[in-house]
Amino acid sequence: EIVLTQSPGTLSLSPGERATLSCRASQSVSSRSLAWYQQKPGQAPRLLMYGASSRATGIPDRFSGSGSGTDFTLTISRLEPEDFVVYYCQQYGSSPYTFGQGTKLEVK
Amino acid sequence: QVELQESGPGLVKPSQTLSLTCTVSGDSISSGGYYWGWIRQHPGKGLEWVAHIYYTGSTNYNPSLKSRVAISVDTSQNQFSLRLTSVTPADTAVYYCARLPITYIVFDSWGQGTLVTVSS
Repeated sequence: EIVLTQSPGTLSLSPGERATLSCRASQSVSSRSLAWYQQKPGQAPRLLMYGASSRATGIPDRFSGSGSGTDFTLTISRLEPEDFVVYYCQQYGSSPYTFGQGTKLEVK
Repeated sequence: QVELQESGPGLVKPSQTLSLTCTVSGDSISSGGYYWGWIRQHPGKGLEWVAHIYYTGSTNYNPSLKSRVAISVDTSQNQFSLRLTSVTPADTAVYYCARLPITYIVFDSWGQGTLVTVSS
């Protein structure tokens, strides 16, 4: 099973700043099969990125993803107030399909 | 636009069977192109993939739950279901149903989730 470790656990930034979230895999994720989700309180997660760097439908271009192998990054270029929630990465390169433990983005 | 809605008991006794149904609207399960699956989230915790199914009945299970879980599909009702046997308080979680494109095992549309509590 591939274990995904997200860092930091909590990231404190201000609106307008740039956020960089990390997702590290315990073994190589094949074919860049990594996705990112955003979860607001009391809501289901929402797909942001797949294939490490492809934005899902309707996701603004301030969100971008990069990485390969074991190291992946989600970048939010200019933080909006609604971005201060929790983010999860997920690998789908091999079963079981696993999620990271999440990064909480909070207002500084 | 596809919509998914979970339904089922919110309280299950230990050792009993948890049964949930997901009703899909705005898309036909039998049209192909997507898997249909379940994910759970323990209170205040992260996400866990449980299982997914294709309209043909082909299934995929998380090995950690495989001995206790069954997923099924009813194309005539445009629904799919989850059964989890021999539940314990550790199975208390919000259960989400979701749609997965067959080209990428990602969850691109989600239900709102339903909290299932395992308690006597």
